[in-house]
Amino acid sequence: GENVEQHPSTLSVQEGDSAVIKCTYSDSASNYFPWYKQELGKRPQLIIDIRSNVGEKKDQRIAVTLNKTAKHFSLHITETQPEDSAVYFCAASMGTGFQKLVFGTGTRLLVSP
Amino acid sequence: NAGVTQTPKFRVLKTGQSMTLLCAQDMNHEYMYWYRQDPGMGLRLIHYSVGEGTTAKGEVPDGYNVSRLKKQNFLLGLESAAPSQTSVYFCASAGSTEAFFGQGTRLTVV
Repeated sequence: GENVEQHPSTLSVQEGDSAVIKCTYSDSASNYFPWYKQELGKRPQLIIDIRSNVGEKKDQRIAVTLNKTAKHFSLHITETQPEDSAVYFCAASMGTGFQKLVFGTGTRLLVSP
Repeated sequence: NAGVTQTPKFRVLKTGQSMTLLCAQDMNHEYMYWYRQDPGMGLRLIHYSVGEGTTAKGEVPDGYNVSRLKKQNFLLGLESAAPSQTSVYFCASAGSTEAFFGQGTRLTVV
């Protein structure tokens, strides 16, 4: 069925290092790929998103790349800081428009000072 | 502007009891979603709606029912609660840009 796979499940880095989280999706009709950050005990919040007509998008220290042919997309965080520690979720909108929004299983990022 | 509001925030149910979780949004969004979040399993889609009067099954719909009688509200019902439904439930709504989440409902079934 339709699903989104996310790796790794946990990621530990030193402050200042880069972090990369990867996701693959199954529905070739998907056209919207957001990334959410969830801090402990809080709701998920959007940090960056990309649509299928764009290959890369950057916002300060975070960037997302999309390879539609391979059906995978990645989140890149540079110059990581302790406050980047959280759980990150990728998602894909299956079908046209928003429709069915399916999430990956999450990556727990720990940034050590 | 409240965004997405879930009611209640916490609830303890006994096995076999029923309850309804309410999600309300004030952003005139067409799309609304119910997810459950369990450790190590991410956000799993229970049901979703693409507009007033419509509902569709997600990844884990069994044991749940939903209704979208008004555009701003999306109700999630548990007819006969089971311990396996102990979870944190999140509602989300989306227009044409991004999806916004409610604050979550922590449900414990004993």
